[in-house]
Amino acid sequence: EVQLVQSGAEVKKPGESLKISCKGLGYSFTSRWIGWVRQKPGKGLEWMGIIYPGDSETRYSPSFQGQVTMSVDQSISTAYLQWSSLKASDTAMYYCAGAVAGRFDPWGQGTLVTVSS
Amino acid sequence: EIVLTQSPGTLSLSPGERATLSCRASQSVSSTYLTWYQQKPGQAPRLLIYGASSRATGIPDRFSGSGSGTDFTLTISRLEPEDFAFYYCQQYGNSLYTFGQGTKLEIK
Repeated sequence: EVQLVQSGAEVKKPGESLKISCKGLGYSFTSRWIGWVRQKPGKGLEWMGIIYPGDSETRYSPSFQGQVTMSVDQSISTAYLQWSSLKASDTAMYYCAGAVAGRFDPWGQGTLVTVSS
Repeated sequence: EIVLTQSPGTLSLSPGERATLSCRASQSVSSTYLTWYQQKPGQAPRLLIYGASSRATGIPDRFSGSGSGTDFTLTISRLEPEDFAFYYCQQYGNSLYTFGQGTKLEIK
């Protein structure tokens, strides 16, 4: 069974850095794009970008370009989403999901990021 | 960037009734790349319909998708209690993905 397992919830202060993870299980990790999706509290889904673990090719949504960095570590089948300086407005649930043929499936369970002073 | 507008924002129906959810695109979308998801509170989204009309694995046949060009529809033929949730459409084109703002399907 193809699964994506995300790291646990984080509580950070504004200005701090953060890296959350998404581990692929049950498939060839380098063969499938992985997307990241943000969901602010009580709001809808926003596509942030996708990364191809095979060669780390990355495509960012214009709304998130320069705000976050996506990366992978093939050796441990894990994708990452990172911030260099968090803001309160980054408070949200972040999902990773397999991206194939223009759709997202499966989805990770989500990582809740809370940024508060 | 293609904007997807879902309507209604909230749909109030009773179990057993038929639900019709709309997703309208600001410009033409390839049917191949029009997808619907279901999200229940506290859960990750789940793939429902892809290619505008193909049900994902394990999705009951009361769910169906249709449409082309700029107008797409998700229909739930007879609502079950577990169908009350949020529904999102999503498109892919020109290397960009966008989601609609969602429809909340609530129990009347």
